[in-house]
Amino acid sequence: ETGVTQTPRHLVMGMTNKKSLKCEQHLGHNAMYWYKQSAKKPLELMFVYNFKEQTENNSVPSRFSPECPNSSHLFLHLHTLQPEDSALYLCASSQDPGHSYEQYFGPGTRLTVT
Amino acid sequence: SQQGEEDPQALSIQEGENATMNCSYKTSINNLQWYRQNSGRGLVHLILIRSNEREKHSGRLRVTLDTSKKSSSLLITASRAADTASYFCATDGAGSYQLTFGKGTKLSVIP
Repeated sequence: ETGVTQTPRHLVMGMTNKKSLKCEQHLGHNAMYWYKQSAKKPLELMFVYNFKEQTENNSVPSRFSPECPNSSHLFLHLHTLQPEDSALYLCASSQDPGHSYEQYFGPGTRLTVT
Repeated sequence: SQQGEEDPQALSIQEGENATMNCSYKTSINNLQWYRQNSGRGLVHLILIRSNEREKHSGRLRVTLDTSKKSSSLLITASRAADTASYFCATDGAGSYQLTFGKGTKLSVIP
């Protein structure tokens, strides 16, 4: 275990549903990340949070809405998704934001949009 | 944006053999990291090598970095079936806090 947990591990939702992904880190880190991993594509960074403040938003559609209530918890709220949003969503944390720090990943949520 | 690209895309070897994976990138970096991902799971950090380092070891792993060629290699010695996974390099762009991952090399170690 890496110290980063994600729930649920699997999620199937229709295009009109609203659901949320949850991530929790037990490492005392200050930075948290959401990534999207689609088949045959590189890992895509979606959002970065530093001390609960969003510092990066990589042109992610508004149907994905992140929330970081404290430095240990990160949510990704989903609504009116498209089938192409089906992917593995990975949460990660690091001591501080930045390239000098290794990132610890959760096991991911496998999302299927029908 | 800065992106590492791994080569080969897939590699199949017998248990006990060495496995070598390469990563190339386009612009200058501060450091380069290697990660492993077992099928459908999260990534696990393996090694971070800084731009002023040329080689780094961790157990059966050896990473080299050649900044003049903008490339890195990951060598796994005496491979085991448990090493079967996808391996990714991740680079930063100078001045950027983001890590950019490649598409990975899928390694299969046959018992």
